[in-house]
Amino acid sequence: GAVVSQHPSRVICKSGTSVKIECRSLDFQATTMFWYRQFPKQSLMLMATSNEGSKATYEQGVEKDKFLINHASLTLSTLTVTSAHPEDSSFYICSAARGTAKNIQYFGAGTRLSVL
Amino acid sequence: TQLLEQSPQFLSIQEGENLTVYCNSSSVFSSLQWYRQEPGEGPVLLVTVVTGGEVKKLKRLTFQFGDARKDSSLHITAAQTGDTGLYLCAGAKRNNAGNMLTFGGGTRLMVKP
Repeated sequence: GAVVSQHPSRVICKSGTSVKIECRSLDFQATTMFWYRQFPKQSLMLMATSNEGSKATYEQGVEKDKFLINHASLTLSTLTVTSAHPEDSSFYICSAARGTAKNIQYFGAGTRLSVL
Repeated sequence: TQLLEQSPQFLSIQEGENLTVYCNSSSVFSSLQWYRQEPGEGPVLLVTVVTGGEVKKLKRLTFQFGDARKDSSLHITAAQTGDTGLYLCAGAKRNNAGNMLTFGGGTRLMVKP
């Protein structure tokens, strides 16, 4: 099967600091990775599409300067929440698409971010 | 308004009962996925349906894709406590970005012993 590793699983930080979340595809190359945000008891909301070697595509309403995405290799994408505030506290989940069919996505275990 | 409407949003049943979760849209999808998510974990893919009218079975779970590829259902027979979780449907639409996924609002299922 396809394995996606997300790290860290949980992070607590002070307001104003930056937090980096890593998403790795362990046994396949992922040209495209996705970053989602999930509020308690709600569904997944796509934040951005991360494309290897090019700029990420952000969904409407998502600040690209706030949520920096880097996809420097075929197996790693990172999401950096810059100058985090309490309202950024959420569950962030990444996924990786295997091959060109972006509908077949494999998800990481998620990162619970708590900003104090 | 969500592109994909899931119902019910919450469901609490006794072990052994049957249940059906619905995923409806006015849009046509090239494929539809069902995921199950447990608290603090990422979604796990259960099934992908691509053909209108398609029915897939996964042990006690039966998935159906509507003839017009606008809706889908998940039926669980003789639910067990281990079926508890958040069930998500996600539809893929062909566009320039290549089959992006849109998630429904989710159905939170609790199966009581």
